[in-house]
Amino acid sequence: SQQGEEDPQALSIQEGENATMNCSYKTSINNLQWYRQNSGRGLVHLILIRSNEREKHSGRLRVTLDTSKKSSSLLITASRAADTASYFCAVILTGGGNKLTFGTGTQLKVEL
Amino acid sequence: SQTIHQWPATLVQPVGSPLSLECTVEGTSNPNLYWYRQAAGRGLQLLFYSVGIGQISSEVPQNLSASRPQDRQFILSSKKLLLSDSGFYLCAWSTQLRETQYFGPGTRLLVL
Repeated sequence: SQQGEEDPQALSIQEGENATMNCSYKTSINNLQWYRQNSGRGLVHLILIRSNEREKHSGRLRVTLDTSKKSSSLLITASRAADTASYFCAVILTGGGNKLTFGTGTQLKVEL
Repeated sequence: SQTIHQWPATLVQPVGSPLSLECTVEGTSNPNLYWYRQAAGRGLQLLFYSVGIGQISSEVPQNLSASRPQDRQFILSSKKLLLSDSGFYLCAWSTQLRETQYFGPGTRLLVL
């Protein structure tokens, strides 16, 4: 079964607004990663947060991790039309080597 | 710099025909290699991963097989395609030590 479940499944916002996506998982993890996928393309790694970290920033991206709630959020600030894509969380389970388990993704549409 | 190639980009095959998808990585040695399948509007399902030449681990029982004849070459095969094999196939690599995965552009397979 999918470890990562994103919420919402789809999100539509206006350019300049912030976009928040959430991810929940079921078991103990080593780290959680967020990836982006433009339509019909491969995935691009955005950010990795380890199980002992609570928050991480990269440019306009902010990721939080709450291991007690087994959840993470991805915030994109001041969104742009170019941010339109699907966003996936993926976890590496404790003892899972380097295998990633992906969620079902959030489709983000940023309108002008 | 490292690059990953997949071909073909698109493939339409009849049911019962064989399949061979190729993935090659440049600019790195001894990578971990992965094959994923993505159904329309869904997350990624890990099919196979390899930590070295000739070492293949299968994640799900299926109609497909994988081989790694060279350090930076990963091949996904089938002897007889099924309709359910249709999907978007993604190859990825990672280093032995780091958890971030780098994805190829993908192959869209349609089995008719």
